[in-house]
Amino acid sequence: KAGVTQTPRYLIKTRGQQVTLSCSPISGHRSVSWYQQTPGQGLQFLFEYFSETQRNKGNFPGRFSGRQFSNSRSEMNVSTLELGDSALYLCASSLRTGHVVSTGELFFGEGSRLTVL
Amino acid sequence: AQTVTQSQPEMSVQEAETVTLSCTYDTSESDYYLFWYKQPPSRQMILVIRQEAYKQQNATENRFSVNFQKAAKSFSLKISDSQLGDAAMYFCAYRSAWAGGTSYGKLTFGQGTILTVHP
Repeated sequence: KAGVTQTPRYLIKTRGQQVTLSCSPISGHRSVSWYQQTPGQGLQFLFEYFSETQRNKGNFPGRFSGRQFSNSRSEMNVSTLELGDSALYLCASSLRTGHVVSTGELFFGEGSRLTVL
Repeated sequence: AQTVTQSQPEMSVQEAETVTLSCTYDTSESDYYLFWYKQPPSRQMILVIRQEAYKQQNATENRFSVNFQKAAKSFSLKISDSQLGDAAMYFCAYRSAWAGGTSYGKLTFGQGTILTVHP
């Protein structure tokens, strides 16, 4: 069974540009969540998508957005990049069937390392 | 809002010895999951062990076990017979088990503990 796949693995952008990151969840997983990891702030929740709808959002500015497609694949977009957006962006997938509680475990991808110059 | 605190930024252990990583959390919920995740230098986050709050029995997975104290809101990880491959950053994490809540899909992480294993 394939794991969570994130692309691209590495990318370099300049301030003001925008970036789109992609995440393919484990087959059958309908919940996808995104996290930003930096040395200073640690791991911070960005948002979660389930059934193509954003269910939760962390405390990030509107420049950070995402979406989920009907096949559960997700993308996140960061517009007007700032130096502080340099981070490892992690995607995680999990089983979530509406209001039925699953095992709770999240499965992570290897991440996309974004460097903003 | 839930918070998770790991008070040990770094820990070290000799190969074959035992080490305990500490974690405390704060929540007003009664039903939740707690996790320990491991992040080796290759970066992929891997689940080490999971504990459901409604279960009183401490979870164990081979050399890994937890000491879950619900009243004290404490969730420590014990690694027995430490191996070189255990060296990594370890994160304690919390997740609500209430699927109807707005925080359901969110993992709240501690700051992490870097574990070094000496041969």
